[in-house]
Amino acid sequence: EAQVTQNPRYLITVTGKKLTVTCSQNMNHEYMSWYRQDPGLGLRQIYYSMNVEVTDKGDVPEGYKVSRKEKRNFPLILESPSPNQTSLYFCASSPLSPNRNQPQHFGDGTRLSIL
Amino acid sequence: AQKITQTQPGMFVQEKEAVTLDCTYDTSDPSYGLFWYKQPSSGEMIFLIYQGSYDQQNATEGRYSLNFQKARKSANLVISASQLGDSAMYFCAMREGGAGSYQLTFGKGTKLSVIP
Repeated sequence: EAQVTQNPRYLITVTGKKLTVTCSQNMNHEYMSWYRQDPGLGLRQIYYSMNVEVTDKGDVPEGYKVSRKEKRNFPLILESPSPNQTSLYFCASSPLSPNRNQPQHFGDGTRLSIL
Repeated sequence: AQKITQTQPGMFVQEKEAVTLDCTYDTSDPSYGLFWYKQPSSGEMIFLIYQGSYDQQNATEGRYSLNFQKARKSANLVISASQLGDSAMYFCAMREGGAGSYQLTFGKGTKLSVIP
């Protein structure tokens, strides 16, 4: 089954304790992206990657890191989490194509609570 | 200025009735794509429908159709014959820029509640 898998689905942790949210896709997509969703704000892009070893900042990258060492994986790293990073996080992927009609496929989300 | 505006934070619709969810967008790029996603209470994001800026006809997918008015920069989602399972958040999103641009910009969403 074609899917984007995020882990963990839920995490409660404390300020300053490094954490990683994993994201893996099995569709051989070149493009991967991380979003955060906050009430009343919709989804905002954190980082994205067009291919292996190619990553770039989205609209809200502060406090986050990413890596793309393999095509299928795109982990999100919070080196020193803070309470304002409490949010619902989504990983998404899509193929690269000249046609703009390819939708992004989303994982089921990771709900992070930073105390 | 917001690139995607969804002016209805919440809406109610009677079961089996049709409902229109509004979306206006702002771009100076002649080539762009518009997407609608559904987010049920379980949280996942489900792709519903796509409209390209050069598409001559309004997109349709089953009970979903997109009322695309390019001159007005609006891309409203129409759900026909609403079902209880349609109760969810709905997000309009835009992808703009050249062939190398894949970023999606989302609106703030509309919460739809279907009443039995």
